[in-house]
Amino acid sequence: QVQLVQSGAEVKKPGASVKLSCMASGYTFISYNIHWVRQTPGQGLEWMGILDRYEENTLYAQKFHGRVTMTRDTSTGTVYMELSSLRSDDTAVYYCARGGSDSSGDYYSNWGQGTLVTVSS
Amino acid sequence: DIVMTQSPDSLAVSLGERATINCKSSQSVLSSSYNKIYLAWYQQKPGQPPKLLIYWASTRESGVPDRFSGSGSATDFTLTISSLQAEDVAVYYCQQYYSTPHTFGQGTKLEI
Repeated sequence: QVQLVQSGAEVKKPGASVKLSCMASGYTFISYNIHWVRQTPGQGLEWMGILDRYEENTLYAQKFHGRVTMTRDTSTGTVYMELSSLRSDDTAVYYCARGGSDSSGDYYSNWGQGTLVTVSS
Repeated sequence: DIVMTQSPDSLAVSLGERATINCKSSQSVLSSSYNKIYLAWYQQKPGQPPKLLIYWASTRESGVPDRFSGSGSATDFTLTISSLQAEDVAVYYCQQYYSTPHTFGQGTKLEI
């Protein structure tokens, strides 16, 4: 079955960077988009960006431009999301989610379990 | 960006009764080229990631009970639970995937 397994919780100081991983299994990895979404109590669900299935193209939300980088390793079926210059309001649960393919729309059919990132001095 | 607005923010419904959650988009999410509405509904229970319930505004995801249904037009959408069960207590979100940034509604908390 399709599974997205995310890396464990992180605690970071303001100004630091964090790199989260999302290991996919149970489907053809390169055939589907991967999205990153974060959830904070105050902001609800917030789309951060997409790692497109075609040639690893990425598109980031304007809010995170310059701070976020999404990459993938096709040999291990793992997607990474790095967020830099962390601030206290980056404290959130971060999710990866499987999006669309050539034969389906870009809704999010499967989600990782989430990774809590806490930013605190 | 397309703004998604849900109503109500919270809802209390008796077991076995109907629950209706509304969602409105600030722009059309209907593709005239494909004649599809790029709107999804998710259910989130405490401590869990969101779970896809409905996509293309009205297509139920495999394994989702048929008491869940979705409807709508280009900008106005509804999620209906025909007969509320105890396990349906959750927060429900609508989302448009018509254009990036994909945006979510603020959520509707459904209680018994």
